Amino acid sequence: DAGVIQSPRHEVTEMGQEVTLRCKPISGHDYLFWYRQTMMRGLELLIYFNNNVPIDDSGMPEDRFSAKMPNASFSTLKIQPSEPRDSAVYFCASNRGGPTNEKLFFGSGTQLSVL
Amino acid sequence: RKEVEQDPGPFNVPEGATVAFNCTYSNSASQSFFWYRQDCRKEPKLLMSVYSSGNEDGRFTAQLNRASQYISLLIRDSKLSDSATYLCVVISSGAGSYQLTFGKGTKLSVIP
Repeated sequence: DAGVIQSPRHEVTEMGQEVTLRCKPISGHDYLFWYRQTMMRGLELLIYFNNNVPIDDSGMPEDRFSAKMPNASFSTLKIQPSEPRDSAVYFCASNRGGPTNEKLFFGSGTQLSVL
Repeated sequence: RKEVEQDPGPFNVPEGATVAFNCTYSNSASQSFFWYRQDCRKEPKLLMSVYSSGNEDGRFTAQLNRASQYISLLIRDSKLSDSATYLCVVISSGAGSYQLTFGKGTKLSVIP
C-alpha cells in the first residue's frame, strides 16, 4: 500500500485566498483524521471522520475551516478565506478503529504558508 | 494546566549516553499511553506503547506512573539516528467519545 497520500506537499498563498488540502487514506481504514501542527501549539486534532461521516469537529478553529469526505478514499480540508495565522503543517492520518487505536498512519503533510 | 505536557528540550546528548524524557497528563481517567517519534520535516510515527507494568523494546524503555500521572521514555546507548522529536500520546474517554491527544514533543539531538 502507498500509505496516506496528501497533496500538495507545499502551498504558498496570499491572505484571503481559498486553500484546499487533499488526502487519500489507506484503503480499508474506516477513520480519517485532520491535524494541524505548529511550533506554538503542537499537533492539534481538527476533525475526524468515521466511514465518511464527521464525528468530532470541535477542533476546527472557526467557520473559515471546513472538511468533507465524499467517499472512503478522499477527503478535503478547505480554508476560506485564508489568514497568515493559518500557516502550519497540516497532516491527514487514517486507521482502523479510530481514537482508541493508537496506531495512526500519517501522510507526509502539507506545509501551508499564507502571506 | 495543559492536558499533556512535555519538556520541549532540546536534549543534546553524546552518542552512547542514556537519556530520559517525561510527559505529564492532567486527566486522571486517561486510559492508554504511547510514544511517537517525528523526524525533522516528516510525519509522526508510532514508536511504542506504554503499559502499566512498563515495557522494553531494545534500547527503549517506556514506563507509566499513574499515581503521579506521568509517562517516561528511556533511551540507552543513544545513536545518532535517535535524533528526533518524541511525542507522547494519551487516549482519554469522556462525554461518550474518545480523544487522542498529542504532547508538543521533546527534541533530542544525539551528537558524535
